Amino acid sequence: GAGVSQSPSNKVTEKGKDVELRCDPISGHTALYWYRQSLGQGLEFLIYFQGNSAPDKSGLPSDRFSAERTGGSVSTLTIQRTQQEDSAVYLCASSLGYGPNYGYTFGSGTRLTVV
Amino acid sequence: AQSVTQLDSHVSVSEGTPVLLRCNYSSSYSPSLFWYVQHPNKGLQLLLKYTSAATLVKGINGFEAEFKKSETSFHLTKPSAHMSDAAEYFCVPSTGNTGKLIFGQGTTLQVKP
Repeated sequence: GAGVSQSPSNKVTEKGKDVELRCDPISGHTALYWYRQSLGQGLEFLIYFQGNSAPDKSGLPSDRFSAERTGGSVSTLTIQRTQQEDSAVYLCASSLGYGPNYGYTFGSGTRLTVV
Repeated sequence: AQSVTQLDSHVSVSEGTPVLLRCNYSSSYSPSLFWYVQHPNKGLQLLLKYTSAATLVKGINGFEAEFKKSETSFHLTKPSAHMSDAAEYFCVPSTGNTGKLIFGQGTTLQVKP
């Protein structure tokens, strides 16, 4: 597509439930990144993909968080047993390649609220 | 490791006056540097990037930045602020070979009428 698409745009869930957040990157973009932005915080790196592989998962805050990417395209970020501290805007970005010279294109994000 | 310092957490200018958002980097070699903008309740947008091809980089919306190795700076400027420029601005280095970007706290630009 023309841009990075994320769905849903807003999600309210009860504490303890699992949620799945979806990211459709720009067609042909091989690199995909997930970030989290909490109220009053900067952007926190979560994970990135080269194709379907995730060489760097160092930002995932706990084992309740996981992500996968299939077909070198769509990625889903899953949060199990959600907690209130998981409330944040989850941003996905893609880039044409991976390396220091490529800028990202960001999606509009999914605003997750855990009640 | 590369890091940047955005020297001002908040900048306030009047509409029509110049904008200067300061960014200094710390690196043992010339980094790749990006400026991103985030408007309220919107996603992030790439303004411009420096990748060593040219020291003066022009971006979107009339913004530009100059990479000055002697000062280890990459300040963002615009000759005349517009109300629509009010947003959060991030100066971001690219780390290593993965392209992973580490964002700091950013600078909030306020534009007064």
